[in-house]
Amino acid sequence: GQSLEQPSEVTAVEGAIVQINCTYQTSGFYGLSWYQQHDGGAPTFLSYNALDGLEETGRFSSFLSRSDSYGYLLLQELQMKDSASYFCAVRSFQKLVFGTGTRLLVSP
Amino acid sequence: EAGVAQSPRYKIIEKRQSVAFWCNPISGHATLYWYQQILGQGPKLLIQFQNNGVVDDSQLPKDRFSAERLKGVDSTLKIQPAKLEDSAVYLCASSPPLYRVNTGELFFGEGSRLTVL
Repeated sequence: GQSLEQPSEVTAVEGAIVQINCTYQTSGFYGLSWYQQHDGGAPTFLSYNALDGLEETGRFSSFLSRSDSYGYLLLQELQMKDSASYFCAVRSFQKLVFGTGTRLLVSP
Repeated sequence: EAGVAQSPRYKIIEKRQSVAFWCNPISGHATLYWYQQILGQGPKLLIQFQNNGVVDDSQLPKDRFSAERLKGVDSTLKIQPAKLEDSAVYLCASSPPLYRVNTGELFFGEGSRLTVL
C-alpha cells in the first residue's frame, strides 16, 4: 500500500516563502503530484515530479528526491489567496493516492 | 472546454436512506475516479474506471456502495443504505490514462456534499 505524511498546518505572512514537505512510502512509485484546494472547492493540480530535482512554475516550485522518498512544495511571494489546503499525491502505475493535506494560513 | 460535471451539489438524507451521485467527465477522458473526502482529510479513492471497466475498487465498501459507468462516459455512485460516517464530499475526477500521458494530473469536479443525519 501507500502512506504519505505532511504537516497538518503551516502559517506564514504575505510576501514570505513557505515549504510544505511530504514523505511517502509506496510500491511502484511513478511520481509525486501536488494539489491545491480552497475551502469548499475542488482540488486543482499544481505540479508533477517524475524525476529527481526541482520543477518551477511561476511562484510555485516542487522538488523530488526518489532515493529519500521525499518531496516538497515551495511557495514564494505568498499572497492571501494562497491560503488553502495543499495535498501531495503519489502516483503508482495508474492510481493516485493523496496525503492528508497541509492547511496553509497566510496572514497580512 | 467543459470541465467535470457533478450533481447534485448538496444532499441531505437520513441514515438508512439511499442516495445517488452523477458525474460527467471531460470529453475524451477514458479514466474516471470517485474519491471520498471527509472533512479535514485528503481524498480517498473509492473506485477507478478505465472506459467502462473497473481498474480499482479495493476501498469501496461494497456492502453499501456501488458504482457504474455503463457506456464508458458518465458514471453514477450509489450509497444504500447510508450511514452517519458516509457524510463527506464525493469528488469525481477524470483524466487520460496516467501511464499513457505520464502525468499525475487529474481534473476534478466541484463535488457532491452529502450530509447523513
